[in-house]
Amino acid sequence: QVQLVESGGGVVQPGRSLRLSCAASGFTFSNYGMHWVRQAPGKGLEWVAVVSYDGANKYFEDSVKGRFTISRDNSKNTLYLQMDSLRAEDTAVYYCAKDLTVRGVTVPDYWGQGTLVIVSS
Amino acid sequence: YVLTQPPSVSVAPGKTARITCGGNNIGYKSVYWYQQKPGQAPVLVIYYDNDRPSGIPERFSGSNSGNMATLTITRVEAGDEADYFCQVWDSSGDHVVFGGGTKLTVL
Repeated sequence: QVQLVESGGGVVQPGRSLRLSCAASGFTFSNYGMHWVRQAPGKGLEWVAVVSYDGANKYFEDSVKGRFTISRDNSKNTLYLQMDSLRAEDTAVYYCAKDLTVRGVTVPDYWGQGTLVIVSS
Repeated sequence: YVLTQPPSVSVAPGKTARITCGGNNIGYKSVYWYQQKPGQAPVLVIYYDNDRPSGIPERFSGSNSGNMATLTITRVEAGDEADYFCQVWDSSGDHVVFGGGTKLTVL
């Protein structure tokens, strides 16, 4: 079955950087786009970014453009989110999620359990 | 693109719950619905407006027309109590949009 395990979360000071990872298994990773979605404490879901199955196409939510980078290593079945210039409002649980469609970029279907990022001095 | 959901919906056990998701001409888009229970990751319950992933009960169904999409849960059970989020892919901005979420309370 699909398994997605996020790691790399923690407490970081404003303006600093953090890199999240997501280890995937149970499906052909290189055939699917992958998403990052976040959820601030007690709030709703906010989509962050998506990368296509081959890494060629990347899309970002406006508030993270220029600060966050999404990438993948298909040889390691791993998704990454590099977060720079972090702000207090980036505090959230970050979920990685598999795209619904083969070789498409649409919406997430299976989600990991998330990793918590706290941006605080 | 903005999706609007009611903050809360309450329903008695065994009754039917309807959760709406409003958006400009949303009927022209594919709508997806997620269920999220406290402390858990979201689970996809409806995709392409009205398809159910394997393992999702037939009690869950969706509809989409005009400016409104609706998630319908029949014969509601206590275990259905959760937050529900609608979602679309906004091709004009190349991004995923979520509704604000609706808390379903089973009385």
